[in-house]
Amino acid sequence: GAVVSQHPSWVICKSGTSVKIECRSLDFQATTMFWYRQFPKQSLMLMATSNEGSKATYEQGVEKDKFLINHASLTLSTLTVTSAHPEDSSFYICSAQGSLNTEAFFGQGTRLTVV
Amino acid sequence: QKEVEQDPGPLSVPEGAIVSLNCTYSNSAFQYFMWYRQYSRKGPELLMYTYSSGNKEDGRFTAQVDKSSKYISLFIRDSQPSDSATYLCAMRSGNQFYFGTGTSLTVIP
Repeated sequence: GAVVSQHPSWVICKSGTSVKIECRSLDFQATTMFWYRQFPKQSLMLMATSNEGSKATYEQGVEKDKFLINHASLTLSTLTVTSAHPEDSSFYICSAQGSLNTEAFFGQGTRLTVV
Repeated sequence: QKEVEQDPGPLSVPEGAIVSLNCTYSNSAFQYFMWYRQYSRKGPELLMYTYSSGNKEDGRFTAQVDKSSKYISLFIRDSQPSDSATYLCAMRSGNQFYFGTGTSLTVIP
């Protein structure tokens, strides 16, 4: 299957700082990327959908000014958690879909801890 | 009603058992059906996908789709301890993906 690389795999940051998470499709062009948040023992919660070159579409209840998503190229999308707070601590996962694919492939996930 | 319903388990089986994981859905517009496996603290890994009713087999895994009943299953034969993970069903309509809550499986040696 296609490979999606997410970086970093874990990060600890201080409250009030910003953190950027990268999601790259290594062997295909990702026309659409999805960002999810996952709490322990719960399923994936879709945060936003981004198409290359367009503004991201955020799910209801997700603050677009807090979770900045950029999808500037067909192989890279970034999620920036701005002014992070302890309640933002979670597991963030990206997935990518190419125009020719019917399925989406996931990154390894990023565990964010805000202290 | 949720778009996709999946029994969260947990499910615990002895090594070698046949495991059956199931999801039901309500939206007849779903076109593609997927099963992902997620180990703890890792991203989901695609196991199987299919778009038609019937069975699709890949090694010890068989995915089954019954569109008339809006029901999909994943069967794992000769289960191994390494199969212990959370299994997520997913469905796609257009560019939207819908996930089940995941079933936690433990295979006991």
